Amino acid sequence: GESVGLHLPTLSVQEGDNSIINCAYSNSASDYFIWYKQESGKGPQFIIDIRSNMDKRQGQRVTVLLNKTVKHLSLQIAATQPGDSAVYFCAENAGGTASKLTFGTGTRLQVTL
Amino acid sequence: DTEVTQTPKHLVMGMTNKKSLKCEQHMGHRAMYWYKQKAKKPPELMFVYSYEKLSINESVPSRFSPECPNSSLLNLHLHALQPEDSALYLCATTWAGSTDTQYFGPGTRLTVL
Repeated sequence: GESVGLHLPTLSVQEGDNSIINCAYSNSASDYFIWYKQESGKGPQFIIDIRSNMDKRQGQRVTVLLNKTVKHLSLQIAATQPGDSAVYFCAENAGGTASKLTFGTGTRLQVTL
Repeated sequence: DTEVTQTPKHLVMGMTNKKSLKCEQHMGHRAMYWYKQKAKKPPELMFVYSYEKLSINESVPSRFSPECPNSSLLNLHLHALQPEDSALYLCATTWAGSTDTQYFGPGTRLTVL
């Protein structure tokens, strides 16, 4: 079936360094992608999104890159801070009448001092 | 205001109890979702309501019964649950379009004894 997956389950990064979290997706019909951050005991928090007609989108300290040729999505966090420690999920939406998201397996980002 | 609220925050119930989870939003969103999330796993979609009508049921057991009394409220009625139903239950909302961002509530941590 269709799936969204991540290459690394845990990523350890030193404070101040840049982080890159990767995600592979397999549904070529997906046209909308979202990155969520989930801290322990909380609900997923929207970080940034990108539509399939774009290949890059920037936010505050975060950038999402979309490579439709290889069905790859990445989240880059600049100058990683301790508050960035969380689990990050990518999610894809293949369209339809309701916004049905398929989530990736998640990557835990650990920021070391 | 992008806030989705959920009550209660924590719930402990026995297998013979009947309880309800509540989700509320005042963003004017017309699609509302229930997700179930087990530890260290991504959220799994359970139900979708679009314009107050159930549009997706992901083959959820009948011991979970959703209800959407109005466009701001979403309930999940629980009856005769099993210990394996213990999880974080998340509510999410979106405008209703298929490529709209879903905003999540903080979740209800449910423990079934």
